[in-house]
Amino acid sequence: QKEVEQDPGPLSVPEGAIVSLNCTYSNSAFQYFMWYRQYSRKGPELLMYTYSSGNKEDGRFTAQVDKSSKYISLFIRDSQPSDSATYLCAMFPPLGNKLTFGGGTRVLVKP
Amino acid sequence: GAGVSQSPRYKVAKRGQDVALRCDPISGHVSLFWYQQALGQGPEFLTYFQNEAQLDKSGLPSDRFFAERPEGSVSTLKIQRTQQEDSAVYLCASSQPPGPQGTQYFGPGTRLTVL
Repeated sequence: QKEVEQDPGPLSVPEGAIVSLNCTYSNSAFQYFMWYRQYSRKGPELLMYTYSSGNKEDGRFTAQVDKSSKYISLFIRDSQPSDSATYLCAMFPPLGNKLTFGGGTRVLVKP
Repeated sequence: GAGVSQSPRYKVAKRGQDVALRCDPISGHVSLFWYQQALGQGPEFLTYFQNEAQLDKSGLPSDRFFAERPEGSVSTLKIQRTQQEDSAVYLCASSQPPGPQGTQYFGPGTRLTVL
């Protein structure tokens, strides 16, 4: 079993809907949690970065971390066709530099 | 300034050939990472440099994989005697400062296909 699990999708939603993405993890040492967006044939780009438990909002994006359940979420409001991409969750332990990724969820926003 | 650049963008190799993949990090970034991304999967950590020092190479899958960053800027990932299972996208990332506080910026990747 992988340290970070993510449903591969694809997740198809109509334009304007809320996209809900999540990851579960097994390593309780993870303290830093990130969401990356990856377009086809491009490198991942950082969307959201949260430390420990709680919520963080940035524009249309909201990230939630529940360390007690080892569960993190990303919500995208008012989704646009340009949001169509693969979304990757990633995590860091408190020490070290090894970023551990989930497998990614492919999202398709239909106009 | 410019982001992380990687070359070549695409590489086709016959099984058994050696390949070298180059990464130009963002200027001034101390930390440099290599990841391997198989089709339909998330990136998997290969190795980490802080300046010219390779501090973690625990993700390198075999002794056929070798990475260097001799002057603390450009890095090269070399794969010897390539095998079909080496086919993947190889991503490079750089960050400053080191550690979780530094955002990792990724290059576009090199897509390696081993025939």
